[in-house]
Amino acid sequence: AQSVTQLGSHVSVSEGALVLLRCNYSSSVPPYLFWYVQYPNQGLQLLLKYTSAATLVKGINGFEAEFKKSETSFHLTKPSAHMSDAAEYFCAVSAAPSGGYNKLIFGAGTRLAVHP
Amino acid sequence: DGGITQSPKYLFRKEGQNVTLSCEQNLNHDAMYWYRQDPGQGLRLIYYSQIVNDFQKGDIAEGYSVSREKKESFPLTVTSAQKNPTAFYLCASKDPGMNSPLHFGNGTRLTVT
Repeated sequence: AQSVTQLGSHVSVSEGALVLLRCNYSSSVPPYLFWYVQYPNQGLQLLLKYTSAATLVKGINGFEAEFKKSETSFHLTKPSAHMSDAAEYFCAVSAAPSGGYNKLIFGAGTRLAVHP
Repeated sequence: DGGITQSPKYLFRKEGQNVTLSCEQNLNHDAMYWYRQDPGQGLRLIYYSQIVNDFQKGDIAEGYSVSREKKESFPLTVTSAQKNPTAFYLCASKDPGMNSPLHFGNGTRLTVT
């Protein structure tokens, strides 16, 4: 069965510092992986997705993620944090259809704080 | 612009009352979903619908009900049987296929006292 683990429920960085949010997945089939961002009291917005075309995926707002099959990881990075990056980030894996249903399995989320 | 509209943004109810959350989409997606979000617990699937007039229970369906009479609409009713209904509720939709992402509405925050 597919699963997602996000290491660190809270991450704090200084403005201008590297952002690294960790995501490890478990999947018995080649996975489709997603990163979403959620600002307070809003829905989730797609940052980027991995669909096997390239291992390094670039997303919106300067974020990117690298798929590493050997490490079963899909960590999210941004070279230089901005105050506006403060939000909660969710990693998700697309599970194989079960009973005709294809669902996304979400990690518990990582809250990113950016301080001056 | 296409998107998903959830209303209202905030909802307050007394314990014992049923309440219905609205979700409308104009993305022409067949599949629609309801998630519940609680602090520190990520998203949990309540119900999903892959086509009009059909829906299935998700992981935490007890105390909830849905209908799917139109492609664009997927309302969620939180019944009095739901033991802990205070939460943030998110509606989503997607195209078919495992590589298609979910598109989310902006959520409804329900508070039951």
